[in-house]
Amino acid sequence: DAKTTQPPSMDCAEGRAANLPCNHSTISGNEYVYWYRQIHSQGPQYIIHGLKNNETNEMASLIITEDRKSSTLILPHATLRDTAVYYCIVRVVRTSYDKVIFGPGTSLSVIP
Amino acid sequence: EAQVTQNPRYLITVTGKKLTVTCSQNMNHEYMSWYRQDPGLGLRQIYYSMNVEVTDKGDVPEGYKVSRKEKRNFPLILESPSPNQTSLYFCASSLENRGSPLHFGNGTRLTVT
Repeated sequence: DAKTTQPPSMDCAEGRAANLPCNHSTISGNEYVYWYRQIHSQGPQYIIHGLKNNETNEMASLIITEDRKSSTLILPHATLRDTAVYYCIVRVVRTSYDKVIFGPGTSLSVIP
Repeated sequence: EAQVTQNPRYLITVTGKKLTVTCSQNMNHEYMSWYRQDPGLGLRQIYYSMNVEVTDKGDVPEGYKVSRKEKRNFPLILESPSPNQTSLYFCASSLENRGSPLHFGNGTRLTVT
């Protein structure tokens, strides 16, 4: 199954861009990369996902390398409310198998 | 409002007393899943269901049961809870395709004494 690796923690100054990296070197060609975040013990919140192309929405941008072995989540102007644990995951789908496996994530601290 | 609803939010029980945590979604999603979250271990999948009457084990299914008799509900059953099942539990749902994001409930904090 495709696994992801992320740095355990990062800091970012308020107002600056936060760039969170993720490695998923075993990803298959039709598997999507998803990003979620979790604030305290709330349910994980969906941020963005992509397959091959870069994606942008109102929350963030997702940059996926051409070989799809890594990606970067960009929060363009980080605020204190973006302090959270960020998870990069791959949804693994087979004929009778559909698993979403979370890694330990990156704890992002936005500093005033 | 589209949502995944778990009940109860908090539950304290004793070893061996059967309990059920309910999960319901109003988005007509085929896929539903249960996770537990423990400090240092992240979110681990317990069971998932790709559609009605179809369930399968995740990474940590021991001590848990699920059922999917109707599309909107996916209850998690602990027949004989033990203290090592003390955890934060999340239910999630999505459309049944690889390009569909999961929607999570607000969690159930279970304590087994």
